[in-house]
Amino acid sequence: NAGVTQTPKFQVLKTGQSMTLQCAQDMNHEYMSWYRQDPGMGLRLIHYSVGAGITDQGEVPNGYNVSRSTTEDFPLRLLSAAPSQTSVYFCASSRQDTNYGYTFGSGTRLTVV
Amino acid sequence: AQSVSQHNHHVILSEAASLELGCNYSYGGTVNLFWYVQYPGQHLQLLLKYFSGDPLVKGIKGFEAEFIKSKFSFNLRKPSVQWSDTAEYFCAVRNTGFQKLVFGTGTRLLVSP
Repeated sequence: NAGVTQTPKFQVLKTGQSMTLQCAQDMNHEYMSWYRQDPGMGLRLIHYSVGAGITDQGEVPNGYNVSRSTTEDFPLRLLSAAPSQTSVYFCASSRQDTNYGYTFGSGTRLTVV
Repeated sequence: AQSVSQHNHHVILSEAASLELGCNYSYGGTVNLFWYVQYPGQHLQLLLKYFSGDPLVKGIKGFEAEFIKSKFSFNLRKPSVQWSDTAEYFCAVRNTGFQKLVFGTGTRLLVSP
């Protein structure tokens, strides 16, 4: 049971480049979400999904797209990277039952130069 | 919207000192409460959680937290810290019935040997 797997672990992009951060979970969790972590700001919710085909915006969605074509995968796309998107990104998943905790991935450290 | 405040941004303690980290949330409905720890270079790990029942919750590694509904607080405590407790600690809150998890800005704890 791998839990939540994020790839890549590290990435350097040039301003304007695009890329996709991958997130996959093998626990059949309905709920998945993306957070970014910045010093002094904690974790802020970017996008989330309550099931395949359903996504919604979080606190800081601008510059990011998501899709949820399967229960297992929830990729995060940066269409045109900006230095302000330099951050550590965490994916998390949970069962629909809210009497349940979250499982976090190990993170992707992204630097945009 | 729900918000979470962690008033101590940086805490420095000597080994064996007692620890209390504050956490307050804004929304007064029924909530689930979490404390996560992030050791240097690692991802988030769940320390403890409160869903219902006894407001004094015991977690891993000797940590505990007390939910005081009247104060909208969920403070984290440990009677005697160790050097290995050096980490960043995040309080998080979820409104019952909703999936979104809202984080505080975190508290960096440094324990000197």
